[in-house]
Amino acid sequence: GESVGLHLPTLSVQEGDNSIINCAYSNSASDYFIWYKQESGKGPQFIIDIRSNMDKRQGQRVTVLLNKTVKHLSLQIAATQPGDSAVYFCAEKTSGSRLTFGEGTQLTVNP
Amino acid sequence: KAGVTQTPRYLIKTRGQQVTLSCSPISGHRSVSWYQQTPGQGLQFLFEYFSETQRNKGNFPGRFSGRQFSNSRSEMNVSTLELGDSALYLCASTHRGEGANTEAFFGQGTRLTVV
Repeated sequence: GESVGLHLPTLSVQEGDNSIINCAYSNSASDYFIWYKQESGKGPQFIIDIRSNMDKRQGQRVTVLLNKTVKHLSLQIAATQPGDSAVYFCAEKTSGSRLTFGEGTQLTVNP
Repeated sequence: KAGVTQTPRYLIKTRGQQVTLSCSPISGHRSVSWYQQTPGQGLQFLFEYFSETQRNKGNFPGRFSGRQFSNSRSEMNVSTLELGDSALYLCASTHRGEGANTEAFFGQGTRLTVV
């Protein structure tokens, strides 16, 4: 069935470094992808999205890259801060408002 | 503006009981989706409601049901609770259900523990 998966379950970086979180998806027909951040005890928080007709989109300190050839998404966080420590999910939008989530990557930022 | 509100935040129930969870979407949002989050299965889609109609349903047994009211508030119900139903139940609201680029805003969830 359809699924969106992540390459690494955990990622540890030093404060100030750049972080890269990866995601592989399986549905080549998907046309919209989102990255969410989930802190402990909270619901997922929207970070950035990208449509399939784009290969890159930038936000504040974050960039999402989409490679449709290999069905790969990545989230880049510049100058990672302790407040960025959380679980990051990629999600694929299918029918209506339904989201299919990846497994999540736990990002830990070391001071 | 107020975010997505889910009540209660925490709940403990006994096997065999039933439970009702509530979600109030952001004002003006008409689509509400429910997700179950567990350590083993991650975030799994339960169902979506739009204008009081269930528009989409995930692969959950019939014990899981929901509804949406005319003010877009939604409830989900789980009957005959099982230990495996212990999870964080998340509600997400979107402004409209059609089309892409419709950002989903999540509530903080209801943590259900079945004992």
